[in-house]
Amino acid sequence: GAGVSQTPSNKVTEKGKYVELRCDPISGHTALYWYRQSLGQGPEFLIYFQGTGAADDSGLPNDRFFAVRPEGSVSTLKIQRTERGDSAVYLCASSLTYGDEAFFGQGTRLTVV
Amino acid sequence: SQQGEEDPQALSIQEGENATMNCSYKTSINNLQWYRQNSGRGLVHLILIRSNEREKHSGRLRVTLDTSKKSSSLLITASRAADTASYFCATRKSSGDKLTFGTGTRLAVRP
Repeated sequence: GAGVSQTPSNKVTEKGKYVELRCDPISGHTALYWYRQSLGQGPEFLIYFQGTGAADDSGLPNDRFFAVRPEGSVSTLKIQRTERGDSAVYLCASSLTYGDEAFFGQGTRLTVV
Repeated sequence: SQQGEEDPQALSIQEGENATMNCSYKTSINNLQWYRQNSGRGLVHLILIRSNEREKHSGRLRVTLDTSKKSSSLLITASRAADTASYFCATRKSSGDKLTFGTGTRLAVRP
């Protein structure tokens, strides 16, 4: 596709369940970012990949959050034992190389009930 | 944590007027970028200014950067109702670093 694709666009899950959020970056983009945004706030950094490796995972809030990018393209953000406080829009972005402008997907709205 | 703080938090203007938003940040940067967000979903990149640049233009947008004051401003001239959105500044401390976003300015342009 032409842009960054995130699936699903909306996800409702019960507290304690496991969820996976998928990001398909723009083809050829080596850098991939995950952010989380709560209502009325700016995007909060979670993790950043250069190729297959996590260049910076300092934003992951705790060990319930994990992300992978096994082949340097598609990435999956995994949240275990979800809590109501995890409810937010999860945004993915990619850029051609580090330092460039980032292109964002439309996000996944996660609601934990 | 947020690197930048936008000012004002909210701005309401009449169509045709100019809108100015400011961003202050805390640490030295490699570049600063401005993004627009409609309806709380995907962000759209507007403009990137590097630490050795002082001003950049793109269409109706003008961005300034003052590294001595650790601040940037975004000016939208001749605003349109379609400019209604939230605007965020984002900084990179170095070329290989993550983007860190500010808290945003909500702009409303009245037709």
